Amino acid sequence: EVQLLDSGGGLVQPGGSLRLSCAASGFIFSSYSMNWLRQAPGKGLEWVSYINMDGSDKWYADSVKGRFTISRDDGKNSLYLDMSSLRDEDTAVYYCVRDWAWAFDFWGQGTGVTVSS
Amino acid sequence: QSALTQPPSASGSPGQSVTISCTGTSSDIGGYNHVSWYQQHPGKVPKVMIYKVDKRPSGVPDRFSGSKSGNTASLTVSGLQADDEADYYCSSYGGSNNWVFGGGTKLTVL
Repeated sequence: EVQLLDSGGGLVQPGGSLRLSCAASGFIFSSYSMNWLRQAPGKGLEWVSYINMDGSDKWYADSVKGRFTISRDDGKNSLYLDMSSLRDEDTAVYYCVRDWAWAFDFWGQGTGVTVSS
Repeated sequence: QSALTQPPSASGSPGQSVTISCTGTSSDIGGYNHVSWYQQHPGKVPKVMIYKVDKRPSGVPDRFSGSKSGNTASLTVSGLQADDEADYYCSSYGGSNNWVFGGGTKLTVL
């Protein structure tokens, strides 16, 4: 069974940093590209970042470019999102999501990030 | 403001059909056949219902169908059931290494 376990969220002050993690199981992690998506409270879905299978290609939404860094460790079946210079508008539930057929097929349960002083 | 435009709400009675539109541009929906649709029940994780415009993942009922014409994609739910009541989001590859979403449509089964 495919499982994605998101963790690392919490309360952080504006300008602060946070690292999100996603532990994958139930599939060959190294064979899939992965993404982070987010959903602000009461709002819609927003794509945040993408990393390809071998980690050589990384994409970012304009809203996070230069502040967020996506990475992966295939030996640990894990995906990461390093977030810095956090802003109020980064407050959201962040989802680790598997990339499949130009769509997002499996989603983690999400981890909440609140940016507030 | 979302990159793709969806109506905020849609509704239908049990057994009826409802179609949700998703309008983009020639740079996203019109330029690629990488449109997908997601269903999200309150407090739940999104679930992919349609990918590559009109393909259904295994396990998704054939009551759900997708199509595209020009810069507009559509999701049709036939034979509405109570459990279809949820938020629906469209998504498209936006070119230039990014993905775009619609603002979501709340589907109400009357």
